[in-house]
Amino acid sequence: GAGVSQTPSNKVTEKGKYVELRCDPISGHTALYWYRQSLGQGPEFLIYFQGTGAADDSGLPNDRFFAVRPEGSVSTLKIQRTERGDSAVYLCASSFNTGGTDTQYFGPGTRLTVL
Amino acid sequence: GDSVTQMEGPVTLSEEAFLTINCTYTATGYPSLFWYVQYPGEGLQLLLKATKADDKGSNKGFEATYRKETTSFHLEKGSVQVSDSAVYFCALSGRGGSNYQLIWGAGTKLIIKP
Repeated sequence: GAGVSQTPSNKVTEKGKYVELRCDPISGHTALYWYRQSLGQGPEFLIYFQGTGAADDSGLPNDRFFAVRPEGSVSTLKIQRTERGDSAVYLCASSFNTGGTDTQYFGPGTRLTVL
Repeated sequence: GDSVTQMEGPVTLSEEAFLTINCTYTATGYPSLFWYVQYPGEGLQLLLKATKADDKGSNKGFEATYRKETTSFHLEKGSVQVSDSAVYFCALSGRGGSNYQLIWGAGTKLIIKP
């Protein structure tokens, strides 16, 4: 079956612009996660959805970052007034349930470059 | 807070060599432990996992044992192939009572030469 997909695969924008990154999770997965990965580092947790609600957004770095999942499937990560420090690969993952033993399946990521 | 420490790379080996990539962790409670692999140009894939102490995860010839006494989860393979060249990430689930967040090591790049 289809895995997690993310669009676009690459996004180049100018400082101060607004961007949206999309994630399509595996069908039937109730949990969805966003992570950010900077060069040479492991991913860093941003936000977690259970169904339509953001159950934990403690990893969002500031109020320029926002994410939604209005129908409990597709999610969009929104970044306002982008800064050069936002440049990274943004990863989306989904899992069937939540819980420490559940496998999170990752998408290929969106590489965001802020000029 | 919870953290994961991996050996620094790159690790360069010849084909058929024995592989060990060290991973140690600090965590409250009893996390699950994971190894993910990222092949060139691809997304992160789960390689193996262990959910409790003394469990051994295994897949594709790779193994790792959850050692609570040494807080370690070292990745091993008896005979590596060129196709194993990738970046390997050790991770644990949870932060206190939040057992869904994955906490990651920095990754170890593995290069296998023919």
